[in-house]
Amino acid sequence: DGGITQSPKYLFRKEGQNVTLSCEQNLNHDAMYWYRQDPGQGLRLIYYSQIVNDFQKGDIAEGYSVSREKKESFPLTVTSAQKNPTAFYLCASSILTLTEAFFGQGTRLTVV
Amino acid sequence: GIQVEQSPPDLILQEGANSTLRCNFSDSVNNLQWFHQNPWGQLINLFYIPSGTKQNGRLSATTVATERYSLLYISSSQTTDSGVYFCAVNTGNQFYFGTGTSLTVIP
Repeated sequence: DGGITQSPKYLFRKEGQNVTLSCEQNLNHDAMYWYRQDPGQGLRLIYYSQIVNDFQKGDIAEGYSVSREKKESFPLTVTSAQKNPTAFYLCASSILTLTEAFFGQGTRLTVV
Repeated sequence: GIQVEQSPPDLILQEGANSTLRCNFSDSVNNLQWFHQNPWGQLINLFYIPSGTKQNGRLSATTVATERYSLLYISSSQTTDSGVYFCAVNTGNQFYFGTGTSLTVIP
């Protein structure tokens, strides 16, 4: 099946630890995105990538890092510098940055 | 960045009723999408509609790009339509989301 796979679905992290969220797509899309959603809020862009080995900061990149070593993979690391990391994280991809975007099922991160 | 406003913020409908959700945006956009977020959090694509009108079953959408708004129509609502509806606009390299309309359909 073609689509976007995020793992894990639920993640618990202790304060002060880094954690990496996985996002894989087999749609052959060039562009990939990471969004954060807080309760009752819309989605805010963390990072996006238009091509392998290139990525750009979004509106709330502080405390996060990404890599794009392969076209199909765009992992997000939530670092200990992120002051309020508990949130729902959604990964998306699109053929190009101006075209229709498709989302994965999300990862719910809780800091304990 | 571009501002995206959705109205109403909350909506409660009796099953079978019709509704219209609105999305206003503050600047010219390259494209616009409507999503339904289900209770498990997944965003389901409803429409990719930078301009014009599209229909898919009981749902239809209209975007008037020159006047910077889009409308999502839901007819004969069902309980499975419950959830949050988001519009997202694309300008440049990223999508900007509204804060959503939370729809509850009661039997």
